[in-house]
Amino acid sequence: AQSVTQPDIHITVSEGASLELRCNYSYGATPYLFWYVQSPGQGLQLLLKYFSGDTLVQGIKGFEAEFKRSQSSFNLRKPSVHWSDAAEYFCAVGAKEYGNKLVFGAGTILRVKS
Amino acid sequence: EPEVTQTPSHQVTQMGQEVILRCVPISNHLYFYWYRQILGQKVEFLVSFYNNEISEKSEIFDDQFSVERPDGSNFTLKIRSTKLEDSAMYFCASRATGSNYGYTFGSGTRLTVV
Repeated sequence: AQSVTQPDIHITVSEGASLELRCNYSYGATPYLFWYVQSPGQGLQLLLKYFSGDTLVQGIKGFEAEFKRSQSSFNLRKPSVHWSDAAEYFCAVGAKEYGNKLVFGAGTILRVKS
Repeated sequence: EPEVTQTPSHQVTQMGQEVILRCVPISNHLYFYWYRQILGQKVEFLVSFYNNEISEKSEIFDDQFSVERPDGSNFTLKIRSTKLEDSAMYFCASRATGSNYGYTFGSGTRLTVV
């Protein structure tokens, strides 16, 4: 069965520090990979996506993610975190072979301390 | 940028009542989805819809749930007899065809069953 693992439930970083949120997936097909961000009580905003090609993808708000097929990972990074980045981050995976529905990870809550 | 619109943003209903959640997908998208997120939990796939029929549904999507595209623009999720455990945020999403995988979520309807 397809699965997505975000091993960190909570992460706290200082404002201005770098950030890496981990995502690992288990899929029997070539995956499409996404990162979404959700502020409390809000919807899901797409940060970035990977379909094919360059394995380092750039997204909005200064985020980037790198697809590593050998490690089945798609980690999200930001070089310098801002207080407004505090939110919950979801990794999601889809594939044509599985009807294109998205399977989400459990999310990582990011806290930013000043 | 085109948006997926969901109404209402918040609905409170009594247990046993029927509710209809409404969504207006992006106009040139052909694939439609409902997802749900129980408070504090991950986002879960409910159902996908294409060409006026359900293409896939999860085990959550039992006989109490139904979806419909009553006209050329709306996509609805009906819960026939709500239970307390149906309380969740419900997200509608639509997707374009082709390799771009343009998958867009609405801002959600928070359903509270009392």
